[in-house]
Amino acid sequence: GAVVSQHPSRVICKSGTSVKIECRSLDFQATTMFWYRQFPKQSLMLMATSNEGSKATYEQGVEKDKFLINHASLTLSTLTVTSAHPEDSSFYICSATGLAGRTDEQYFGPGTRLTVT
Amino acid sequence: QKEVEQDPGPLSVPEGAIVSLNCTYSNSAFQYFMWYRQYSRKGPELLMYTYSSGNKEDGRFTAQVDKSSKYISLFIRDSQPSDSATYLCAMKADSGGYQKVTFGTGTKLQVIP
Repeated sequence: GAVVSQHPSRVICKSGTSVKIECRSLDFQATTMFWYRQFPKQSLMLMATSNEGSKATYEQGVEKDKFLINHASLTLSTLTVTSAHPEDSSFYICSATGLAGRTDEQYFGPGTRLTVT
Repeated sequence: QKEVEQDPGPLSVPEGAIVSLNCTYSNSAFQYFMWYRQYSRKGPELLMYTYSSGNKEDGRFTAQVDKSSKYISLFIRDSQPSDSATYLCAMKADSGGYQKVTFGTGTKLQVIP
C-alpha cells in the first residue's frame, strides 16, 4: 500500500511554455498533498501544501501565479509550471498523506525531472 | 544558519561496515524525526520515524535522537551495496502527516563490494 505516482517522469519544454505534472495516490485517499522542489545536492524544499477541494498554501518565496496547484480529488493533485524559464529546471517531487492508520506519514512519488530549454 | 545541517558526503565504506549518519538542528520545537533513503532520480522512502529522544531499531537500522544536543543519528549495520543511496534526515514540530517537514541536504553513501 501507500503508492504515489507522478507523471511524467521527465519532461523537456521550451522557455515560455507551461508544463503540467500529475501526482496520484494509487491505493489510498490523500487528504493532503505536498509539492517539493529539489536542486542538485540540495535539500527538498517545500513549495506548497494542498488539501482536497481547497486552495493550496504556498511557502514564502514561491510564486503562486507561476506554480499553479490543483487538488481536485482525494487521489489527484496537479502542479502547473506556467511560463517556464531555465531556472525552473529542477526535480519536482510530490508527497501525500492520509493513509488510514498511517496518517502521520508522508509518502513520496518518484519525482519529475523538468528541463526548460 | 540552516535549521537542519547534514554533511553531504560522499561517504564511502566497504561492504559490512557500520555506517553512521548524522544531522544537527537548531529549532528546539522539532519533536518528530525521520530518516529517508533516496536512490538516484527517485523519490525519498521513509526508513525510520522517531518521536522525542531515544533509540529505535529496525533490522539493520538504528535511529538515535538526542534532543538536549539537537543531534540525530542513523546507524546502518552490516552495510550492503544496495544501501548505496542518499540519506535525508527530516524533522517536524508536530504530529500529523499534514505538518511541514524540514529536510537536511542529504548524505550520499556508497558501499563498496
